[in-house]
Amino acid sequence: EVQLLESGGGLVQPGGSLRLSCAASGFTFSSYDMNWVRQAPGKGLEWVSIISISGGNTYYSDSVKGRFTISRDNSKNTLYLQMNSLTAEDTAVYYCARDPNRYGGGFDYWGQGTLVTVSS
Amino acid sequence: DIQMSQSPSSLSASVGDRVTITCRASQSVSGYLNWYQQKLGKAPKLLIYAASSLQSGVPSRFSGSGSGTDFTLTISSLQPEDFATYYCQQSYNTPYTFGQGTKLEIK
Repeated sequence: EVQLLESGGGLVQPGGSLRLSCAASGFTFSSYDMNWVRQAPGKGLEWVSIISISGGNTYYSDSVKGRFTISRDNSKNTLYLQMNSLTAEDTAVYYCARDPNRYGGGFDYWGQGTLVTVSS
Repeated sequence: DIQMSQSPSSLSASVGDRVTITCRASQSVSGYLNWYQQKLGKAPKLLIYAASSLQSGVPSRFSGSGSGTDFTLTISSLQPEDFATYYCQQSYNTPYTFGQGTKLEIK
């Protein structure tokens, strides 16, 4: 059974940092691109970042570029999101999501999400 | 960036109704259009990928169509468990933008 389990969320002060993790199981993690998607309270979905199978290619939304870093450790089946210089606008539930690398795309499995709250 | 626009933003319907939600892209996304269902407090669930392909395990009452800039999600006969928020997403170019969502409520 495919499972994605996020962790690392919590309360952080403005300007602070946090590292999220997403532990994958039930599939060959090293064969899939992986994404982070976030959802602010009461708002819609916002794509944040993607990392390629090897980790050699990464892309970010403009809202996080230069502040967030996506990475992966295929030996540990884990995806990461390092978040720096956090602001209140980064408050959201953060989901990791698998990309099956097929025509048309679509994120076929999602974690349950981890809540990040940026507040003083 | 490609902007995605959904209509309507909200919709009231009854069990058994046929419902259609539309999604428009600001430029062509070819067939790289996906639909998700999200229930309150839960992660999104992929329904349709590549505009019209049904994700494994999704009931056949869900269908998608379109290409280029205009797409539709149709639910042929609403079931009680279908009341949720629906999002379209383009995966043609990064950033992989989502529509603003359509909230489907019980009439």
